[in-house]
Amino acid sequence: DQQVKQNSPSLSVQEGRISILNCDYTNSMFDYFLWYKKYPAEGPTFLISISSIKDKNEDGRFTVFLNKSAKHLSLHIVPSQPGDSAVYFCAALFGNEKLTFGTGTRLTIIP
Amino acid sequence: KAGVTQTPRYLIKTRGQQVTLSCSPISGHRSVSWYQQTPGQGLQFLFEYFSETQRNKGNFPGRFSGRQFSNSRSEMNVSTLELGDSALYLCASSFSGTDYEQYFGPGTRLTVT
Repeated sequence: DQQVKQNSPSLSVQEGRISILNCDYTNSMFDYFLWYKKYPAEGPTFLISISSIKDKNEDGRFTVFLNKSAKHLSLHIVPSQPGDSAVYFCAALFGNEKLTFGTGTRLTIIP
Repeated sequence: KAGVTQTPRYLIKTRGQQVTLSCSPISGHRSVSWYQQTPGQGLQFLFEYFSETQRNKGNFPGRFSGRQFSNSRSEMNVSTLELGDSALYLCASSFSGTDYEQYFGPGTRLTVT
């Protein structure tokens, strides 16, 4: 049972445009959400997070939006740069439980 | 500060064999978690060790086991390897075990033939 889903395995975006990565979850008890970025041959690195009491968190070019009623979060990258090409994982946390990860979306930025 | 290191980086084994993977956490970190990454499944939690004790365990068969040493280094063992065990195995460390503060290593790519 996949509690965190990333339905798009891949996404291609032109350099300079907006990249939108989506994530859906089923467990309404999740209270913290994170996005990780992973380059080949490297481990995932933390990108940005959001608490369930907020609906938006911004950090430079990265913004995460949370829609609790729809159990949906999205990561916006504006403007997209070639170095943003990577696999992005969303993850959710409830209390002291372990992180539950999505299956990942491979983002390719086209120069 | 040195990051999380994992050895070996690549490994090829045959079905039925066993394998041991190693993870050295960031200095001072006491928690080590292990994840399996496969295409289409994302990262799946295997287990977490904190101060030499297994604190959490995911839904993996008993063929998957681990341990942690007094210096916080951790090993993961998989016995009686199956083809489906081919995956990238990642470990992550944190000071207190709080998941949103964990740092990942580069992983060990295990191929079972």
